[in-house]
Amino acid sequence: QKEVEQNSGPLSVPEGAIASLNCTYSDRGSQSFFWYRQYSGKSPELIMFIYSNGDKEDGRFTAQLNKASQYVSLLIRDSQPSDSATYLCAVTPPGSSNTGKLIFGQGTTLQVKP
Amino acid sequence: DGGITQSPKYLFRKEGQNVTLSCEQNLNHDAMYWYRQDPGQGLRLIYYSQIVNDFQKGDIAEGYSVSREKKESFPLTVTSAQKNPTAFYLCASRGSSGKTNEKLFFGSGTQLSVL
Repeated sequence: QKEVEQNSGPLSVPEGAIASLNCTYSDRGSQSFFWYRQYSGKSPELIMFIYSNGDKEDGRFTAQLNKASQYVSLLIRDSQPSDSATYLCAVTPPGSSNTGKLIFGQGTTLQVKP
Repeated sequence: DGGITQSPKYLFRKEGQNVTLSCEQNLNHDAMYWYRQDPGQGLRLIYYSQIVNDFQKGDIAEGYSVSREKKESFPLTVTSAQKNPTAFYLCASRGSSGKTNEKLFFGSGTQLSVL
């Protein structure tokens, strides 16, 4: 079992719809959870982070964390063609908060169609 | 402007050759990291350094070497022992606030290919 799993997609949604991206992790002691957006050939950029159970909203983005189910998701409201990218879920494994080590999922490719 | 500079953007390696990827940051960050990304894959940690003159292996260190002689610089050498070096290499740095949500700053990456 991979430590951080994402559906590679592509996930295709129409412009204006809600895109839902999901991520599961295997280590129950994982501490912090990050969503990065990566355009093709570019470096990842941080979209959201979350470390407490529940929802965290920032503009059109909402991160949801359920530690009991070991599940973290990213919702993108009013999806735009410019949101088309690969979204990487990253997790801080137990004991790594000081080192900054992250374990990444393989990413989900999102396509927003006009 | 503060940031991380990786060079070169593209690099080609011949059989049996060692090549070095440059990573320089002017963010005054203590911690620096090297990740490898294969097509359709996430990032995998090669090496990381939390302080000058000290570094630790990540999950896929075999065939790679690093040095950290200066705070600003963390070069990665891909040795001839790395049999499948073709990948996108990303350097990152992180501040030292102690917060668990301290984010990584990434460079623009180096695409390494084998001739």
